[in-house]
Amino acid sequence: GAVVSQHPSWVICKSGTSVKIECRSLDFQATTMFWYRQFPKQSLMLMATSNEGSKATYEQGVEKDKFLINHASLTLSTLTVTSAHPEDSSFYICSAIISGGLHNEQFFGPGTRLTVL
Amino acid sequence: GNSVTQMEGPVTLSEEAFLTINCTYTATGYPSLFWYVQYPGEGLQLLLKATKADDKGSNKGFEATYRKETTSFHLEKGSVQVSDSAVYFCALVAQDQGGKLIFGQGTELSVKP
Repeated sequence: GAVVSQHPSWVICKSGTSVKIECRSLDFQATTMFWYRQFPKQSLMLMATSNEGSKATYEQGVEKDKFLINHASLTLSTLTVTSAHPEDSSFYICSAIISGGLHNEQFFGPGTRLTVL
Repeated sequence: GNSVTQMEGPVTLSEEAFLTINCTYTATGYPSLFWYVQYPGEGLQLLLKATKADDKGSNKGFEATYRKETTSFHLEKGSVQVSDSAVYFCALVAQDQGGKLIFGQGTELSVKP
């Protein structure tokens, strides 16, 4: 149980285009999901907290107009990288907390590798 | 503020060697502590956790004890295998922080046959 999927697993796009990454909780409902960014050989950096039915909460220094987050249902959150540039190339990972479950346990997706040419 | 500090890697060991990866934390109140493992090109998997002082988390031969007096949560394994090669992250969730995980910088482990 508690499986989180991400789609796509990898994507290559041209500079200036937008890319949407999906995060789904497959066998549970998730009121809260998190989006992280990871650079090679570095730790995970929390970008934003995504709450179902409300606006995402962004961490300091993360551009909300650049990284659009939509949490339209209890099983799906999307991250759209708008007008992507090479410096946005990274590994993006989402996680989810089970609604009504232990508030301190997150389940992680397998990640999406974005390469912007 | 809340933070996690891990020993720097990479750590290179021979198969069947003893492993220790140090982790210390700074947090207000009583955080929950976690070890996650990341295999190459993959997301994170929860390895073990402890939610209160003196708790010992264990899984797959790995174990870590929540030491409030030393604010530590060191990861240990008695005999590592090549398949344990991965990056290990220590993390905490502070009380009343909406479930936000704070990660250490990660420690890369390489086990040679």
